[in-house]
Amino acid sequence: AQTVTQSQPEMSVQEAETVTLSCTYDTSENNYYLFWYKQPPSRQMILVIRQEAYKQQNATENRFSVNFQKAAKSFSLKISDSQLGDTAMYFCAFMKHRGGSEKLVFGKGTKLTVNP
Amino acid sequence: KAGVTQTPRYLIKTRGQQVTLSCSPISGHRSVSWYQQTPGQGLQFLFEYFSETQRNKGNFPGRFSGRQFSNSRSEMNVSTLELGDSALYLCASSRGEYQETQYFGPGTRLLVL
Repeated sequence: AQTVTQSQPEMSVQEAETVTLSCTYDTSENNYYLFWYKQPPSRQMILVIRQEAYKQQNATENRFSVNFQKAAKSFSLKISDSQLGDTAMYFCAFMKHRGGSEKLVFGKGTKLTVNP
Repeated sequence: KAGVTQTPRYLIKTRGQQVTLSCSPISGHRSVSWYQQTPGQGLQFLFEYFSETQRNKGNFPGRFSGRQFSNSRSEMNVSTLELGDSALYLCASSRGEYQETQYFGPGTRLLVL
């Protein structure tokens, strides 16, 4: 079974600075997808970024980028120029590549606070 | 495009009762997945439906069930509620054709007294 570990339960960063959230996972699969989702307080989960394991190039989405290290099974999220609106729970998630079923396995999350 | 909608948003029930939660996916999406979110266990997969068929099921007791209708709307039912069923229940939809990204609804917060 796949497991996802986020070792930082809470983090804080000053506005406009850069912060990196860590995620490691365990799987015997070779092809899979990794995601970062953001869940602001009392608001719904939204997708931040997605990475296909077969792609060597790290995904980027505006101020958000990942450092995907397949051999190390590591998938960290870097937020540049942090904004107050980035305050949220961030979840790392894994999905198998096999067709016919979709199931996300989530980490426990990292609570990020952006301070003014 | 309208996002994923869930009803009701909040619900209070007592132990032993049953509850039905509803999820309407994004237009054109055929896959609906359900997740339970609690402070202790985090986010756990309940089940996934695609074209009215359950494709995958998580490790939850048989009290948790679901179904999907021909218009892709989905319902989940929890019978004989227990205190531990108090949680945020999230629904997510995707096109479902091949490991598509899942988009989440706002959730239904269930409190069991």
